[in-house]
Amino acid sequence: DIQMTQSPSSLSASVGDRVTITCRASQSISNHLNWYLREPGKAPKLLIYAASSLQSGVPPRFSGSGSGTDFTLTISSLQPEDFATYYCQQSYSAPLTFGGGTKVEVK
Amino acid sequence: QVQLMQSGAEVKKPGASVKVSCKASGYTFANYYIHWVRQAPGRGLKWMGMIMSSGGTRNYAQEFQGRVTMTRDTSTSTVYMELRSLRSEDTAMYYCARGDTDRVTDYWGQGTLVSVS
Repeated sequence: DIQMTQSPSSLSASVGDRVTITCRASQSISNHLNWYLREPGKAPKLLIYAASSLQSGVPPRFSGSGSGTDFTLTISSLQPEDFATYYCQQSYSAPLTFGGGTKVEVK
Repeated sequence: QVQLMQSGAEVKKPGASVKVSCKASGYTFANYYIHWVRQAPGRGLKWMGMIMSSGGTRNYAQEFQGRVTMTRDTSTSTVYMELRSLRSEDTAMYYCARGDTDRVTDYWGQGTLVSVS
């Protein structure tokens, strides 16, 4: 199975901050990397697919980059509704696997 | 609009089985996979498997092989996930999600809480 390692596991930030989350795969997954936002009590919401493609309806302050084994999710200017947990997921091969999550908290 | 509507919460005894449904609407059911993902309390997201809505091709995670069965009813655009021999560690929120041919899961159901005790 492909292991996904996310860092940091949590971070504290303020509204307006630029936030960066990284995800590393245990083997090359090309660009088959997706990012999700998870609010408490809600289902995950797709933000970015294929490493850098913005899902329809997602604000452009979210962006993704990377290929191979190293990937990054960037929020250019953190908004109040962005305080949540973020997960990366590889869809290169089954079983699909997720990173451990990054909780973005209010500083 | 795309919607995945899951069945309600379940409480089961250890050793029992549970069958969770996921009714799809707002898109061509046959053109997509349905994935199942669960999250136990304090744990991360874990992929359980997927089923192609047309043809019924299935792929289960090794961890659940022998205990899980995914089926679909094309007449009602509904997918079912049955998990057998339940144990306390199966207490979790279970989600269905629509997946494309690149296995990108773009729409998710609201979740079904399964409690085993």
